[in-house]
Amino acid sequence: SQTIHQWPATLVQPVGSPLSLECTVEGTSNPNLYWYRQAAGRGLQLLFYSVGIGQISSEVPQNLSASRPQDRQFILSSKKLLLSDSGFYLCAWSVQRGGPNTGELFFGEGSRLTVL
Amino acid sequence: LAKTTQPISMDSYEGQEVNITCSHNNIATNDYITWYQQFPSQGPRFIIQGYKTKVTNEVASLFIPADRKSSTLSLPRVSLSDTAVYYCLVGDPPFGKFYFGSGTKLNVKP
Repeated sequence: SQTIHQWPATLVQPVGSPLSLECTVEGTSNPNLYWYRQAAGRGLQLLFYSVGIGQISSEVPQNLSASRPQDRQFILSSKKLLLSDSGFYLCAWSVQRGGPNTGELFFGEGSRLTVL
Repeated sequence: LAKTTQPISMDSYEGQEVNITCSHNNIATNDYITWYQQFPSQGPRFIIQGYKTKVTNEVASLFIPADRKSSTLSLPRVSLSDTAVYYCLVGDPPFGKFYFGSGTKLNVKP
C-alpha cells in the first residue's frame, strides 16, 4: 500500500534562518507531488506542484523553493525564513493520469513551522 | 485562484442530516468535484468525488445538478466526531492542480 511521510513534524526557527522540509512517498511511482501551507485558521494554499523529477510549478512567488531530486522525494526549502512563513506545511501526492483513485489527494502528517 | 464558494460555518446536532453546498459557477467541462474533511493539525482526507447527478459511498452522498454550477455534500446522521472543516474542490484530476477554498467549519453539538 502507498504511504507518505514528511518531517520534521515540528520546528521552531528564527527569522532569517534556512529551512528544509522533506517528503517521501512509498508504494507508488510517478506520482504528482504537492506542497501546501495552511496559516492558522485558514484554508490550504498551494505552494508547489510537480509532475516529475526536476519539474516544479510554483504557485506563489515568495522566498520558498521546492525540489524533486528523485521520483518519490519532494523537498521544500528556504534560504531565509520570514515571520509570515509560519504555518502548517502539508505534502501530498496524487495518481497521474490513468491510475486508480485518480483525483484523490493523499496527505502527509504535516510539519508545523513557527518562525520567531 | 480558488474556484469555489462555501459557507464559512454551520452548526448541527447529533443525529441530524447535514447538507453543505458549494458554488462553482465557472466549472469546466472536464472538472470533477471533490470533497475533503480536515481535522485540526491533520491533512485533509478524501470523502467523495463526482462528475454529475448523485454519488453515494459509505460515509456521504454528493448531489450535483444538471448545470454542475453547484454541489451539495450530504452527511447522514452526524456525530460529534464529524466536527471538522469540509472543503469542496473542482479540477481535472489527471492534470491536477488542486486549489482549496476557505472551507466550511461544521460544528456538531450534543
